[in-house]
Parts: sequence; C-alpha cells; structure tokens
Amino acid sequence: DQQVKQNSPSLSVQEGRISILNCDYTNSMFDYFLWYKKYPAEGPTFLISISSIKDKNEDGRFTVFLNKSAKHLSLHIVPSQPGDSAVYFCAASATSTNAGKSTFGDGTTLTVKP
Amino acid sequence: NAGVTQTPKFQVLKTGQSMTLQCAQDMNHEYMSWYRQDPGMGLRLIHYSVGAGITDQGEVPNGYNVSRSTTEDFPLRLLSAAPSQTSVYFCASSLDQGYYGYTFGSGTRLTVV
Repeated sequence: DQQVKQNSPSLSVQEGRISILNCDYTNSMFDYFLWYKKYPAEGPTFLISISSIKDKNEDGRFTVFLNKSAKHLSLHIVPSQPGDSAVYFCAASATSTNAGKSTFGDGTTLTVKP
Repeated sequence: NAGVTQTPKFQVLKTGQSMTLQCAQDMNHEYMSWYRQDPGMGLRLIHYSVGAGITDQGEVPNGYNVSRSTTEDFPLRLLSAAPSQTSVYFCASSLDQGYYGYTFGSGTRLTVV
C-alpha cells in the first residue's frame, strides 16, 4: 500500500508559466510534508516543507498548498524556468508517531521548455 | 563543505559478495537514513536511525545491516549481494526530518552481476 502517491509521472510546461505538481497521501498521521528536487546523477535536494497545521507555505517562486480534508498537496512554481527541469518528489513524515521515517512518492519529471 | 559524504560513488559486486557503503555527515544531525532508488521508482527506505546507538528497519531492510556507533557515521552493509540489490543508494541526514527536511549524499550506484 503506497502511502504517498504522485499520479503524474511527467509534466511539461512553457518557460514563464506556472508548474503545478500534485501529491496524494493516505496516512492521516503524517504531520510534515516536503518537496525535493532531483537532477540526474545527484542526490535529492530539499525544496520546501509544510506542517499539517498550515495550508500554505511560500519560499520565493515555490509555494506548497496542503488540503488535509482531501489528503492532497501541491507544489506551485511561478514562473517556471528551464533550470527547474528535474524530478520532483513529495515526501511525508509522521514525526510524532514514527520519528525518523520519511515516505516518498515515485516522483514527477518536470520539463520546462524555453 | 558541510554535508553528507557517501563512498564509493560506483561499485560492481559479484553475487554473494559482501560490502559496506560508507556514509558520513558533519552537521551534527541526529536523524540518518538509507534509501534505494530503482529506475522509475521513488526512494524506498532501507534502514534509519534517530541517534547514535539507535537503528530501525524501513520498508525494504532484507539483505542489509546498519549500525550507528557515532552521530557522524551510518554505514550500510550488504550481507550477500544479489542482482535484486542493483540500485542507486542514497544516504541522508536531518536535523528533525520534519520541517528542515533531509540533506542527501550524492549516491552510490551499485551493480550486482
């Protein structure tokens, strides 16, 4: 049973437009949600996180939205740039009940076309 | 530079051989984890640690052992390599694995023949 799902394997957008990456989860005990970016032949890099007590967190061009009732989160990138082309993973942690474990989705490959 | 250092970067093993993947961090992070990534898949948790002397199993622990004798080091041992263990292995550390997220190493690409 996959607890964190990214249903879109790939997304292609034009430079300057908005990229929206989606993630669904099933475990209601998750209290932190995170997004990572990964370039080929490198380790993932932490982008942004959100606590379950919030519904939005912004950091520059990146905004994460959390809808707890729908068990859904999304990452918005505005404006998208060619350098944003990478694989994006969402992850979730239940820090109060399962400290030390983060569960990852399968990733979405974002391509930003110039 | 501060971060997570993994060695080696590449390794080819024969079936049945054993080896240890090294991981060290210099950020004084309590939380450390080992993940594997197979083609087209996400990161699957092998083992993790919430501090020196404390380790636990993740989703896919079979065939692997870990130990955490110091805060800095978290080696992953393959007991008897199998072709199914061909993968890219990532070590990661975190201050709190919640808000601050993980810092990942650059990975070890392992091929078992």
